[in-house]
Amino acid sequence: NAGVTQTPKFRVLKTGQSMTLLCAQDMNHEYMYWYRQDPGMGLRLIHYSVGEGTTAKGEVPDGYNVSRLKKQNFLLGLESAAPSQTSVYFCASSFGLSGNTIYFGEGSWLTVV
Amino acid sequence: AQSVTQLDSHVSVSEGTPVLLRCNYSSSYSPSLFWYVQHPNKGLQLLLKYTSAATLVKGINGFEAEFKKSETSFHLTKPSAHMSDAAEYFCALFTGGGNKLTFGTGTQLKVEL
Repeated sequence: NAGVTQTPKFRVLKTGQSMTLLCAQDMNHEYMYWYRQDPGMGLRLIHYSVGEGTTAKGEVPDGYNVSRLKKQNFLLGLESAAPSQTSVYFCASSFGLSGNTIYFGEGSWLTVV
Repeated sequence: AQSVTQLDSHVSVSEGTPVLLRCNYSSSYSPSLFWYVQHPNKGLQLLLKYTSAATLVKGINGFEAEFKKSETSFHLTKPSAHMSDAAEYFCALFTGGGNKLTFGTGTQLKVEL
C-alpha cells in the first residue's frame, strides 16, 4: 500500500529553470494538496484540489502552477525557479475536509541555486 | 480568521518523564484539531485528531490530547517520554470556514538520557 508518493525526492535547480513535482495517491482520495515547509514557518499551503479537473490557490501560490488531470495525480510546476523556492515540498491527500485525516508523502527537497 | 499557535519551538525532556507540547487555536467555527509528528527527513504522520466527539483524545504511541474550548487549547501529552519520541510535532486546525488545514510552526521535542 503505497499511500502518497512524491517524485523526485531531491532536486537541484538553477535560477530560471522549470520543473514539475509529481504526486500520486492510491487511496481514491478526492482532495489533494501541495504544501511547502520552511524552518520556523510550519507548513504552508500552496495549492489544493477538491477533485479531478479542479484546482484552487492556497496561502502561498505565487510562482507555482498545478494540474489535476487524473484523480490520482496532482502536479506542482515551477515555471521559473527562484532561490526563495528552496524548500521541502509535501504532497497530501484526503477523502474530504473537516475531520478527515490528511495523509502526507515523504517530501521533495528542492534547492534553487 | 483561523490560526494555530504552538507556544514552544523547542522542548527538552529526560527519558521517562512526562511530555507536554502546547497548542492554542483561534477559530470562528467549531474546529477539528490534529497533532502530527515528523521524524527527520520523513513526511508527517497523524498522532491523533479531535472532531467534536470526546474531548480527551487518545492517539498512537501513548500520546493523548485534551480539547478545552474555554481555553482554546489542544495540548499534547505523554506520561513517559521515550528516545524514539524525539521529533518535530505539529498542531493543525481545520474549520468549516476555510478549506484547508492550518498548521502551527512546530515544536521540536528532544529526549535526553
